[in-house]
Amino acid sequence: AQKVTQAQTEISVVEKEDVTLDCVYETRDTTYYLFWYKQPPSGELVFLIRRNSFDEQNEISGRYSWNFQKSTSSFNFTITASQVVDSAVYFCALSEALTSGSRLTFGEGTQLTVNP
Amino acid sequence: GAGVSQSPSNKVTEKGKDVELRCDPISGHTALYWYRQSLGQGLEFLIYFQGNSAPDKSGLPSDRFSAERTGGSVSTLTIQRTQQEDSAVYLCASSSWVGGMGETQYFGPGTRLLVL
Repeated sequence: AQKVTQAQTEISVVEKEDVTLDCVYETRDTTYYLFWYKQPPSGELVFLIRRNSFDEQNEISGRYSWNFQKSTSSFNFTITASQVVDSAVYFCALSEALTSGSRLTFGEGTQLTVNP
Repeated sequence: GAGVSQSPSNKVTEKGKDVELRCDPISGHTALYWYRQSLGQGLEFLIYFQGNSAPDKSGLPSDRFSAERTGGSVSTLTIQRTQQEDSAVYLCASSSWVGGMGETQYFGPGTRLLVL
């Protein structure tokens, strides 16, 4: 069963627009960790954020913000005032402490294109 | 400090040949992971090493795939009798183990394997 769902396959915006990337997860573990990674055209996966299941506090880092809601099993990522350099594939990932150890289960990714 | 390094960056081989892919983790990281990224399958877990514990091989797709980690550092992923469906980008990641499971995994640039 799909454990991480990123329903948006591709998103295209114009520079300076705000954009939200959705991530919905499924787990039976009470302890789990959620991650977002960015994969620019160069191909390397770049870590953006890690959240544990006991910390629902939203986080802001510059133009990036994350909204974690356990009630809806969602961990959405918003980029404010998008820039061309934000163009990349973004992956949401889940690590379940008890069920599957430390392996990451990835969503299918969302291709974000920011046009000038 | 230095990140995760992988070699070679690209590998072209003929069907039926064996290949070895190398990963050098971040210094001090005791956990090491291999993933595969292909068009049809997305990002999928292959194998995981943590310290001196037995590796978690549950993600290896067939017995043609094997991996070892020498001296708790460098790892080699070996694919025997390569098939065309093995063509993919093979990604290595490492993490510390300070807090146990769920630590952030940092990825290398990957090895792009093409089997002709």
